[in-house]
Amino acid sequence: DQQVKQNSPSLSVQEGRISILNCDYTNSMFDYFLWYKKYPAEGPTFLISISSIKDKNEDGRFTVFLNKSAKHLSLHIVPSQPGDSAVYFCAARGSGNTGKLIFGQGTTLQVKP
Amino acid sequence: KAGVTQTPRYLIKTRGQQVTLSCSPISGHRSVSWYQQTPGQGLQFLFEYFSETQRNKGNFPGRFSGRQFSNSRSEMNVSTLELGDSALYLCASSLGQNNEKLFFGSGTQLSVL
Repeated sequence: DQQVKQNSPSLSVQEGRISILNCDYTNSMFDYFLWYKKYPAEGPTFLISISSIKDKNEDGRFTVFLNKSAKHLSLHIVPSQPGDSAVYFCAARGSGNTGKLIFGQGTTLQVKP
Repeated sequence: KAGVTQTPRYLIKTRGQQVTLSCSPISGHRSVSWYQQTPGQGLQFLFEYFSETQRNKGNFPGRFSGRQFSNSRSEMNVSTLELGDSALYLCASSLGQNNEKLFFGSGTQLSVL
């Protein structure tokens, strides 16, 4: 039973355009959501997070939107750069489970110059 | 400030052997979590330690165990290795509070032959 799903295995975007990565979850007890970026054979690098009491969080080129009623979140990258090419993981955490993240399967983003 | 350090970086073992992986968290961080990444299953939570106590556990067999020392360093042990244990093992650290991001190490790539 996959509680966090990233239904698009891959996404290709032109440099300068917007990248939108999507994530769905099933567990309504999740109260904190994070996005990580990962390169092969390396550890994930934190990008941005959002608490369930908010519906939007912005940090530079990265914005995360949370729709609790739809159990859906998305990561927007504007403008996209070739250096953004990597695997992006959505992760969720339940209250009190500080070190336990439930990850999606990841979306490979390719930004073409 | 040094990041999360994992040793060794690469490891090759044969079936039936056991292995110990090491993780040094960021200075001041008291929570250490372990994750397994495989191509088929993605990133899966193994367990979390906080102040030398296991605080959370994932759905892995008892062959997977861990511990945390008084200096917050952690070790993970896998006994009676199976081919399916081949994976990237990632360690993450945090202060151990709610709504906090995890910082990941570069991982230990374990190959079981």
